[in-house]
Amino acid sequence: NAGVTQTPKFRILKIGQSMTLQCTQDMNHNYMYWYRQDPGMGLKLIYYSVGAGITDKGEVPNGYNVSRSTTEDFPLRLELAAPSQTSVYFCASWGRDSYEQYFGPGTRLTVT
Amino acid sequence: AQTVTQSQPEMSVQEAETVTLSCTYDTSESDYYLFWYKQPPSRQMILVIRQEAYKQQNATENRFSVNFQKAAKSFSLKISDSQLGDAAMYFCAYRRMEGSNYQLIWGAGTKLIIKP
Repeated sequence: NAGVTQTPKFRILKIGQSMTLQCTQDMNHNYMYWYRQDPGMGLKLIYYSVGAGITDKGEVPNGYNVSRSTTEDFPLRLELAAPSQTSVYFCASWGRDSYEQYFGPGTRLTVT
Repeated sequence: AQTVTQSQPEMSVQEAETVTLSCTYDTSESDYYLFWYKQPPSRQMILVIRQEAYKQQNATENRFSVNFQKAAKSFSLKISDSQLGDAAMYFCAYRRMEGSNYQLIWGAGTKLIIKP
């Protein structure tokens, strides 16, 4: 049982490039989330999903897109990367009968 | 809308002593969950303790306990016999009992420093 996995762990992008952050969970959780954490700050919700085919915006969705074609996967797409998107990105999941929200290890993204 | 406030950006404590981290929240709901998560330098988010609002008894997990004051909307975390491994960012979070798509509302965090 791997829990929530994220790839890559680190990435450096040039301004204007695009990339996809991958997130997979093997706990059959319905709810999945993408957060960003800026240095010294708390977590801000980017997008979330309540099940396959259903996604919705969180607090800071601009510059990002998501899809949820399966229960397991919830990729986050960055289009036209900007320095303001330099952050650590966390994926998380929660099942209906789960005690807590489970987090992936995070992806550190730098845009220069 | 619900909000969560952690008024202490940083706290320090001597190893083996006790420290209390503060958290207040604002909600009109009567049933909800409250959480403390720990984020060590590894960045991994780790659940420390959870409290259901309908439970009178304060939650306890080994050296970690909470002081839940529902009327005051206060949810502080007490760490007893502090250890070097407790050094981390600590985040308080709130979740409605039903609905809200299981979203957590997060505080800004408190950085805990343990002095050897």
